[in-house]
Amino acid sequence: KNQVEQSPQSLIILEGKNCTLQCNYTVSPFSNLRWYKQDTGRGPVSLTIMTFSENTKSNGRYTATLDADTKQSSLHITASQLSDSASYICVVSAGNNDMRFGAGTRLTVKP
Amino acid sequence: DAGVIQSPRHEVTEMGQEVTLRCKPISGHNSLFWYRQTMMRGLELLIYFNNNVPIDDSGMPEDRFSAKMPNASFSTLKIQPSEPRDSAVYFCASAMGWELFFGEGSRLTVL
Repeated sequence: KNQVEQSPQSLIILEGKNCTLQCNYTVSPFSNLRWYKQDTGRGPVSLTIMTFSENTKSNGRYTATLDADTKQSSLHITASQLSDSASYICVVSAGNNDMRFGAGTRLTVKP
Repeated sequence: DAGVIQSPRHEVTEMGQEVTLRCKPISGHNSLFWYRQTMMRGLELLIYFNNNVPIDDSGMPEDRFSAKMPNASFSTLKIQPSEPRDSAVYFCASAMGWELFFGEGSRLTVL
């Protein structure tokens, strides 16, 4: 069983709408959690990185939350744009470069 | 900085041939990672180096795969002999601390 589970697997929304992507993990010990955006045919690009003590972190229209007690994180996208169409990957680190990747959520924003 | 540079971007080869993928990390980064991405398995860590020394190669699928980092500015991933199941996108990433920076990937197709 993957130690990082993402949901939904795929999502289609209309431009301008908000959406929330989920990441549940069992990785232990916990060092940090990152969200990456991967455009088709490109390498992943970091959106946010959160440590144990951080509950919320924003990067423009992207807001990540972390509940270290329940081992859950979410990525909320506000006022979606066509350029938000991509895969979003949750990565949880146990420290010492031991990183576990989620399978990603494929987001499609339609006009 | 130009970011992590990978070559070639695309490689098509025949089964049994040797394939060499190349990576130039971001200057000053002390960790380098090789990942493989497929639709079925997502992103998988193959091997990572710290200060040019291989630390964890447990993700290397079999002896046909080898990786080297002769200096801080260059790494190679070699597959010999290649097989159709090796077809994937291979990413190199470098890091200083927690933040991973990915290259654009090398798409390998083995016929």
